[in-house]
Amino acid sequence: EAEVAQSPRYKITEKSQAVAFWCDPISGHATLYWYRQILGQGPELLVQFQDESVVDDSQLPKDRFSAERLKGVDSTLKIQPAELGDSAMYLCASSFGEETQYFGPGTRLLVL
Amino acid sequence: AQSVAQPEDQVNVAEGNPLTVKCTYSVSGNPYLFWYVQYPNRGLQFLLKYITGDNLVKGSYGFEAEFNKSQTSFHLKKPSALVSDSALYFCAVRDGLLTGGGNKLTFGTGTQLKVEL
Repeated sequence: EAEVAQSPRYKITEKSQAVAFWCDPISGHATLYWYRQILGQGPELLVQFQDESVVDDSQLPKDRFSAERLKGVDSTLKIQPAELGDSAMYLCASSFGEETQYFGPGTRLLVL
Repeated sequence: AQSVAQPEDQVNVAEGNPLTVKCTYSVSGNPYLFWYVQYPNRGLQFLLKYITGDNLVKGSYGFEAEFNKSQTSFHLKKPSALVSDSALYFCAVRDGLLTGGGNKLTFGTGTQLKVEL
């Protein structure tokens, strides 16, 4: 069964450092999403791509966060500089069309 | 704006008993409703969805959910709970009339299900 791949699974960094997360969606899924899930809460959308284009980044803190999907396949989410409040689970999801989103295992980030 | 409410932070049930995890929603247009399950330190796993059609939706692992338009609810149910069902469950909604940038999936805060022997 096809799955969304994410790496790394865990990341520990110090504040003010840069971190990057990678996501490879299910083959053929044109829509890719990055979510942030703070402990005890539901996921919140950071950015949505349709192929290589951003269609929603209204909740992305653009002063420190950036996301790209250059060839419309895999994607990278970057934080620079990281802050203590960025500690969370970062989830990537993909969908064929706009119905069911399938999630990867997530990257748990701890900022010290 | 769309929203989801999961009124119970935790639900406890004995193995073999039926379980219900509650969800109510608010959306302007047509609701597309989803249930996901999350095990510790893992991503969300899709269980089932309601888009249109029959109000009773059957999903993975014996779970089902009933769409009730008048009560704006989409409660998750299972006739006989297993210890292995213990996990965090999320209800989510999006507006079926919106596409592209307005097509955001909004999640509830989650309900921790604990099934005990």
